[in-house]
Amino acid sequence: DTGVSQDPRHKITKRGQNVTFRCDPISEHNRLYWYRQTLGQGPEFLTYFQNEAQLEKSRLLSDRFSAERPKGSFSTLEIQRTEQGDSAMYLCASSFRGQGNRGTEAFFGQGTRLTVV
Amino acid sequence: AQSVTQLDSQVPVFEEAPVELRCNYSSSVSVYLFWYVQYPNQGLQLLLKYLSGSTLVESINGFEAEFNKSQTSFHLRKPSVHISDTAEYFCAVTRTGTASKLTFGTGTRLQVTL
Repeated sequence: DTGVSQDPRHKITKRGQNVTFRCDPISEHNRLYWYRQTLGQGPEFLTYFQNEAQLEKSRLLSDRFSAERPKGSFSTLEIQRTEQGDSAMYLCASSFRGQGNRGTEAFFGQGTRLTVV
Repeated sequence: AQSVTQLDSQVPVFEEAPVELRCNYSSSVSVYLFWYVQYPNQGLQLLLKYLSGSTLVESINGFEAEFNKSQTSFHLRKPSVHISDTAEYFCAVTRTGTASKLTFGTGTRLQVTL
């Protein structure tokens, strides 16, 4: 297993365009998370899935943002009508959560750096 | 809700000197605590974690952190740093039980020089 994989690593887009990022989690992990990290800040939670169900969304996730995990495996994060303020590193993480408190910590991908010009 | 405070945005230190990176948290429920390290243009790597049991936890590369419930702290220490320890360090917290999202501090930049 090569860990959490994110694609693309870098994306430059013009303001107003739509972009989509992909995350492939560690194969046996049932939870998948999206975070956003701006320069000089810690990662901020956006949303997470348990299998294919989206269980929580942050208020940071405006209606221009949508995330999916259709088959409980890979996930996509789409940003519509991008704005300069969307420029950030988008991090994906995965973990396993079983019965009771059984589980693993979150493992992070290398991120997708979005620049909106 | 949980919150994390990392008071030091930057910590410069000479190689082989000891270092402490401070982390304080706030939570009304029991939490798990983590330290992650981030190298330039990379994702986050778990350094160490406190889930339960011994309040002193250690990493394989010489870092340690101590959970202090009364002071709501989880400071990271290393007795002798190396140039390769230069990175951004993030303290994070999640509630026990469901252990879903992580709440991160703003990070501490550790800069090790000769």
